[in-house]
Amino acid sequence: GAVVSQHPSRVICKSGTSVKIECRSLDFQATTMFWYRQFPKQSLMLMATSNEGSKATYEQGVEKDKFLINHASLTLSTLTVTSAHPEDSSFYICSARDPGASNEKLFFGSGTQLSVL
Amino acid sequence: DAKTTQPNSMESNEEEPVHLPCNHSTISGTDYIHWYRQLPSQGPEYVIHGLTSNVNNRMASLAIAEDRKSSTLILHRATLRDAAVYYCILSKAGGYNKLIFGAGTRLAVHP
Repeated sequence: GAVVSQHPSRVICKSGTSVKIECRSLDFQATTMFWYRQFPKQSLMLMATSNEGSKATYEQGVEKDKFLINHASLTLSTLTVTSAHPEDSSFYICSARDPGASNEKLFFGSGTQLSVL
Repeated sequence: DAKTTQPNSMESNEEEPVHLPCNHSTISGTDYIHWYRQLPSQGPEYVIHGLTSNVNNRMASLAIAEDRKSSTLILHRATLRDAAVYYCILSKAGGYNKLIFGAGTRLAVHP
């Protein structure tokens, strides 16, 4: 089945630094990818929709200048958390649909646990 | 987006069937009913989805009420590996449509 690979699985960084998270569709091309974040004991919150070759669409309340999304190819989307602060510590998850499969199924990466010290 | 309502938590014993309910009284005619589950420290995984008819796959069955205002995810024989948070989500058809997650149901499976 389709696989979405996310890297790194875990990252620890100092406050003020930037962190890049990669999301790859391994065996299909994804024109659209989705980025979520999840705090402990809470549900997933959609942050933005990443569109290949164009600007991402951010959900209300998500700072686009802080969470930079780049979807430069059909198999790769990146989320950069700029000037990270401890409150940005969270579990970040990407997802994508395989247009060749059932169009309603979303494949998720295994997530990236970000800890900002 | 139409909203779903699920119990916060449920418990089951291993090898027994589990029926996870979901209410979606404001569902529209073009909304698909999706179920995903999330194991601890992992991304969600697809379980099943349907529109009007009941659906079966190797993981589970989805029973959809005739008026589509509710549905039930059925795990025929729960195993310890089925302990997870189960999310019932409504979404329009189409590859670009996002999924908005609710609180889900945390399922505990006892040996």
